[in-house]
Amino acid sequence: SQQGEEDPQALSIQEGENATMNCSYKTSINNLQWYRQNSGRGLVHLILIRSNEREKHSGRLRVTLDTSKKSSSLLITASRAADTASYFCATVLYSGAGSYQLTFGKGTKLSVIP
Amino acid sequence: NAGVTQTPKFQVLKTGQSMTLQCAQDMNHEYMSWYRQDPGMGLRLIHYSVGAGITDQGEVPNGYNVSRSTTEDFPLRLLSAAPSQTSVYFCASSYSLAGGPWQETQYFGPGTRLLVL
Repeated sequence: SQQGEEDPQALSIQEGENATMNCSYKTSINNLQWYRQNSGRGLVHLILIRSNEREKHSGRLRVTLDTSKKSSSLLITASRAADTASYFCATVLYSGAGSYQLTFGKGTKLSVIP
Repeated sequence: NAGVTQTPKFQVLKTGQSMTLQCAQDMNHEYMSWYRQDPGMGLRLIHYSVGAGITDQGEVPNGYNVSRSTTEDFPLRLLSAAPSQTSVYFCASSYSLAGGPWQETQYFGPGTRLLVL
């Protein structure tokens, strides 16, 4: 079953507004990662947040992690048309004996209207 | 640095044909991974490698083989292509300070679009 699930599936906002996307997961994680994918392109890493961290920032991006609720959120402030893309979360969990598992969610499609 | 490169960009195969998708990175990263992306499914991990000579299976390994003879290259082989393998394939690499894959930034290649008829 999917470990990370993004919500909403699609989001449409006006330029200048903030965009918030959420990712929920089922089991304890080692870290959680957010990626952006522009149409037809490869993924670009945005932020990695570890299980012992609660918040990280990068420019206009803010990621929070609530391990008690097993959820993370990605906030994009003052959105621009260039932020139009799909956003994915990926969860990494430690499965024991030096092994890790990585699972991507299905993504949130963000449209920023100029 | 070229980063992560993938060839070819696009390929059409007939059912039963074999081919190798190439992936190379010039960042001296230990960890490399192959993913497939299908519409509405997100990315799924096929195989990954934690260093030269060491590979392991991901979520959807059936129908694919990998090997890692050098740090730089991580080819993905389809031995007998099936229509279900029609997808976009991405290769990624990363380093790790703390040990273990996917502990730091992953760098993705541009992808290979594969169509199996």
